[in-house]
Amino acid sequence: DAGVIQSPRHEVTEMGQEVTLRCKPISGHDYLFWYRQTMMRGLELLIYFNNNVPIDDSGMPEDRFSAKMPNASFSTLKIQPSEPRDSAVYFCASRGPGGHEQFFGPGTRLTVL
Amino acid sequence: KQEVTQIPAALSVPEGENLVLNCSFTDSAIYNLQWFRQDPGKGLTSLLLIQSSQREQTSGRLNASLDKSSGRSTLYIAASQPGDSATYLCAVRPGGYQKVTFGIGTKLQVIP
Repeated sequence: DAGVIQSPRHEVTEMGQEVTLRCKPISGHDYLFWYRQTMMRGLELLIYFNNNVPIDDSGMPEDRFSAKMPNASFSTLKIQPSEPRDSAVYFCASRGPGGHEQFFGPGTRLTVL
Repeated sequence: KQEVTQIPAALSVPEGENLVLNCSFTDSAIYNLQWFRQDPGKGLTSLLLIQSSQREQTSGRLNASLDKSSGRSTLYIAASQPGDSATYLCAVRPGGYQKVTFGIGTKLQVIP
């Protein structure tokens, strides 16, 4: 298995632009998590899905952030419009049915100028 | 609200030394606790997971312990090697819920 796949690995954009981050979870996993990591706040859970359904989005910082999971093998995290304070590393993780461990992707490093 | 603290924030040791990383949490009603390793610019790699009913888990040179009543976990690394240099994070999952809270991590440097 290729593990959790994220794209792009690096994204540099200008303030006000729309940013879309993509994630492919491990095949067969039914939970998908989106995290943001910054030096100041560490890893924070933004939203998670179970069987493609958003369960808890209380960590999404603002309405500028949205996430979708149209099918079991794909999820997106969108920021519109982006701001410099959104600069961070965004991780996607997945977990299998009845499993306890989360498996993380390599992350997307976002820089908003 | 669960809070997870890791002390020290950074640690530098000579190769071969045994060391202990600490993780403390405020709410003892946990489901499990997981230790991760993160290399610079990379994602997180799971090292050990301890269920709430367990006291410790071992993998190779790594041993993680859990004391729920005191809200503490330790990660013991035996005979440290330069390849162990990384940031180590602990993550706590509460009972009956999926949301995991992470500590800020301990940055470990093992000097050859």
